[in-house]
Amino acid sequence: DSGVTQTPKHLITATGQRVTLRCSPRSGDLSVYWYQQSLDQGLQFLIQYYNGEERAKGNILERFSAQQFPDLHSELNLSSLELGDSALYFCASSVGSPIESHEQFFGPGTRLTVL
Amino acid sequence: GQQLNQSPQSMFIQEGEDVSMNCTSSSIFNTWLWYKQDPGEGPVLLIALYKAGELTSNGRLTAQFGITRKDSFLNISASIPSDVGIYFCAGSTPLVFGKGTRLSVIA
Repeated sequence: DSGVTQTPKHLITATGQRVTLRCSPRSGDLSVYWYQQSLDQGLQFLIQYYNGEERAKGNILERFSAQQFPDLHSELNLSSLELGDSALYFCASSVGSPIESHEQFFGPGTRLTVL
Repeated sequence: GQQLNQSPQSMFIQEGEDVSMNCTSSSIFNTWLWYKQDPGEGPVLLIALYKAGELTSNGRLTAQFGITRKDSFLNISASIPSDVGIYFCAGSTPLVFGKGTRLSVIA
């Protein structure tokens, strides 16, 4: 158990819909990262938050957004969903300074299926 | 952007054999990390390397941070069935993941 929690574990929805994925980091970790993993693909970095502020952006679509709340939990919002958005979405956390991003600890993931 | 080349993409080995996989990059990294991912689970950190030339072990796993800071390898000795999974290398900073090595162990 990494100490990172993600809900829900599974999510099935239809094209065009909007969903919210939730992540709670390990106790004491200030950085939260979101990744997308499609079938046979590696981990694609989406976005990082550090202590409530956006710190780095990866290949995140404009239809996707995220935020980190004062209690440090984070939410990833996916809107206007398309079939190709079906994937595993992972959250990771680290103690992390604003610059260093090593030793990330991953949650169990949310499997999103768009029908 | 920065990319990591991880090889091999997949390997099938007999139980008890040693395994070696590596990761190379055109960029210098300050940290190398190795993760293992079981099916349907999140990646789990196996080993973290912070200094060029560093050799670190974690049980049957040994990893090294290349002298040039552009590569790293992971060795698994005397493989067992529970070693099955996908092994990812990652370089930092920022954290970039390789595409993974899928390991299958034949009992």
